[in-house]
Amino acid sequence: GENVEQHPSTLSVQEGDSAVIKCTYSDSASNYFPWYKQELGKRPQLIIDIRSNVGEKKDQRIAVTLNKTAKHFSLHITETQPEDSAVYFCAARTSGTYKYIFGTGTRLKVLA
Amino acid sequence: GAGVSQSPSNKVTEKGKDVELRCDPISGHTALYWYRQSLGQGLEFLIYFQGNSAPDKSGLPSDRFSAERTGGSVSTLTIQRTQQEDSAVYLCASRNPTTRVDTQYFGPGTRLTVL
Repeated sequence: GENVEQHPSTLSVQEGDSAVIKCTYSDSASNYFPWYKQELGKRPQLIIDIRSNVGEKKDQRIAVTLNKTAKHFSLHITETQPEDSAVYFCAARTSGTYKYIFGTGTRLKVLA
Repeated sequence: GAGVSQSPSNKVTEKGKDVELRCDPISGHTALYWYRQSLGQGLEFLIYFQGNSAPDKSGLPSDRFSAERTGGSVSTLTIQRTQQEDSAVYLCASRNPTTRVDTQYFGPGTRLTVL
């Protein structure tokens, strides 16, 4: 069945450094890849997404890259700030369906 | 406008009891999802409703779990004969497929504790 693997499970970085979270999906028909941020005790919120016809997308300090051949996509956060500390989830949606498969999450800690 | 709401916010029950969790999606959102988030884990897909189509129930972990969506709006997730392993946060999300925006909007979740 469909599967999304996410690494690392935890990540600590110094404030100002970059953070990279990687996901791998199994279904080659997947065509939409969102990233969600979940702060402690709060609901997940979409922060960026990418479609399969695009290789990279940026929004200020965050960017997502997609390698369809390798079935990998990654979240990049530059100039990290303490408020970036949260759990980040990647997801993949298969073309023709509305079902999203989520990764297991990465707990990011930005150390001041 | 109002976002996705869920009730109750917390539910403590005894093993073997039935529970009902409610989700009110954003008005006009015809797609509705239920997910389960166990402590420290990711979001596990449970079920998906889209308009009048048959729901995608492929994520329901056992026949103790069921969900319905009345009138294309409010949804209820029912867990019968609860077990301790059912303890988790149950998240609902809605989406408007009539737009080209794929964003799911999540509710605050219901934290279920089975004693």
